[in-house]
Amino acid sequence: DSGVTQTPKHLITATGQRVTLRCSPRSGDLSVYWYQQSLDQGLQFLIHYYNGEERAKGNILERFSAQQFPDLHSELNLSSLELGDSALYFCASSVALGQEQYFGPGTRLTVT
Amino acid sequence: GENVEQHPSTLSVQEGDSAVIKCTYSDSASNYFPWYKQELGKRPQLIIDIRSNVGEKKDQRIAVTLNKTAKHFSLHITETQPEDSAVYFCAASKEGMTTDSWGKLQFGAGTQVVVTP
Repeated sequence: DSGVTQTPKHLITATGQRVTLRCSPRSGDLSVYWYQQSLDQGLQFLIHYYNGEERAKGNILERFSAQQFPDLHSELNLSSLELGDSALYFCASSVALGQEQYFGPGTRLTVT
Repeated sequence: GENVEQHPSTLSVQEGDSAVIKCTYSDSASNYFPWYKQELGKRPQLIIDIRSNVGEKKDQRIAVTLNKTAKHFSLHITETQPEDSAVYFCAASKEGMTTDSWGKLQFGAGTQVVVTP
């Protein structure tokens, strides 16, 4: 157990819908990262927040957005969902910038 | 942007033998290279990492080597055991090299390692 928690574990929804994935970092960690893992794209970096501020962005779609709250938990919002958004979404956390990232258990999103 | 290539895609070894996975990266500014192990249906788990100011790092049966000149790094697992069976991912990032590079891990495609008793 890495200490990073994610909810929900599984999510099934229809195309066109919007969902919110939640991540709580390890106690004391200031950085939260979001990744998408799919069979065809592998593990893809989406976005990084540090102490409430966005610090780095990957190839995150405009339909996706994230934020980190004052209590340091983070949410990833996915809207106008398409079949291709079906994937495992992981968040990771680290104590500070440039430090080791520890992954949560992931949320499996299925878009039907 | 950074591109990380990982070989081989699958690796079968007999228990007790060694396994080696190699990765190459394209951006010479990359300075952080972690390795993750992912069992089926589980989260990626950090097993070892190395930074660009070090050439080799070892932790029990696992070691990582880095060749900055050639832009490649390798994972070595000795005395493999059935519980080493998993997918292994290498990654690279440019920690702090630009204001927006922090934590931006670029992953390789993964290596499925199967250890047969």
